Order: sequence, then structure tokens, then C-alpha cells
Amino acid sequence: ETGVTQTPRHLVMGMTNKKSLKCEQHLGHNAMYWYKQSAKKPLELMFVYSLEERVENNSVPSRFSPECPNSSHLFLHLHTLQPEDSALYLCASSQEFGGAREQYFGPGTRLTVT
Amino acid sequence: QQQVKQSPQSLIVQKGGISIINCAYENTAFDYFPWYQQFPGKGPALLIAIRPDVSEKKEGRFTISFNKSAKQFSLHIMDSQPGDSATYFCAASRSGNNRKLIWGLGTSLAVNP
Repeated sequence: ETGVTQTPRHLVMGMTNKKSLKCEQHLGHNAMYWYKQSAKKPLELMFVYSLEERVENNSVPSRFSPECPNSSHLFLHLHTLQPEDSALYLCASSQEFGGAREQYFGPGTRLTVT
Repeated sequence: QQQVKQSPQSLIVQKGGISIINCAYENTAFDYFPWYQQFPGKGPALLIAIRPDVSEKKEGRFTISFNKSAKQFSLHIMDSQPGDSATYFCAASRSGNNRKLIWGLGTSLAVNP
């Protein structure tokens, strides 16, 4: 295991639902990331938190709302999603937010929006 | 505009053969080039990485070759094994704080027994 856990592993939700994805890292890292992984697209960085402050927000629609209550936990709150939001959502952490820092990924949450 | 171009999209290799995956980048400011490996049901994991001050780095059966003038780097998997079947991602970044990784599209490798 990588030391990064994600729950749930699978999620099916309707377009009007509200749900949350949870990520927890047990590595003592200071940076945490949300990525979206879709077929035939590069990994899309959505949000980065460094020392619990959001430092990167890559033009993500407001229907995705991140929350980082402490350096070990990261949430992604979802509401009124669209079918094109169906994807694998990956959480990662690293010692600090920096390009040359190894990122440790969780197994992802497979999200299906119906 | 895709800053890191990866090829091929998929690759089939016989056991014992050499797998080669190529990446090209555009931003000459990039100075860190990792390869990540992802198995089904898992997140990506760092496999090997290189900086532009060396032309080659080897770790076991995995080798990165780097060509700074051509702005290209490649992953070679020697003596490929069925257990190497996975998706491989190249990436690039500027080192330093607050720098994000720019990812390639990925290569799905299948090693036939």
C-alpha cells in the first residue's frame, strides 16, 4: 500500500445528488492533490493543498468543492454533476508541493454520474 | 496544447523483449522527468526519474534515456515480463516549490507470456 487511502472506491450518483470523496494520507506529507483521470486524456490536476492552504485551482467547475481540514485529510465535495464528470478521481500526497517531489497516489474513486 | 507528447498509445511485447516508450516535451525550462507506472485498480506509482544533467539512468531492468537537444526522453524495459503489463506515464516539471507535473497521455503495455 502507498499510505494514501481513498473512500469510497466506487460511487454512482445522479446529477442532482450531493456526495463527498475522502482521502487520507498516513505519510506525514504537507501537500495533497486531487486529480481527474479520464480515458485518452492526460491526468488533470484539479486542486493542490500545501499546509492546508489551497495553492492550485485549475479552472475546475464550482460543482467540485475541495476541503482540507488538516494535512492528513482531503475531501472533494460533489454536487449537481454532469455525465462528463464520470472518471477516476485520484488523490495524491507529497512531502511538499514541488515539481520534483515524488507523489504517492491512492487507488482512486471510480465515479459514475447517471 | 499538449506539453508532453507520449507514444505509442499501446504496446504489445513478447516476454523477454524490450519495451520502449517515448516522450517529447516543449518547455525547455523543464528539468525533472519522471515515469510513473499504474496497474489496474491502483493509482500511479513513481518508477524512475531523471534530470537533464545526465543522459541515462538505470534501475534494474528500467532505463531512462534523455536527449536534451531533441527534447525527448524514453523508457526502456529490458527483459520485459508479464508482471510489467501496466500503463506507463511520462511527466515533466520544473523543479522547485509550487511546480506541478505535466503528464503524458499514457502507454498501455501488454507483455505476452
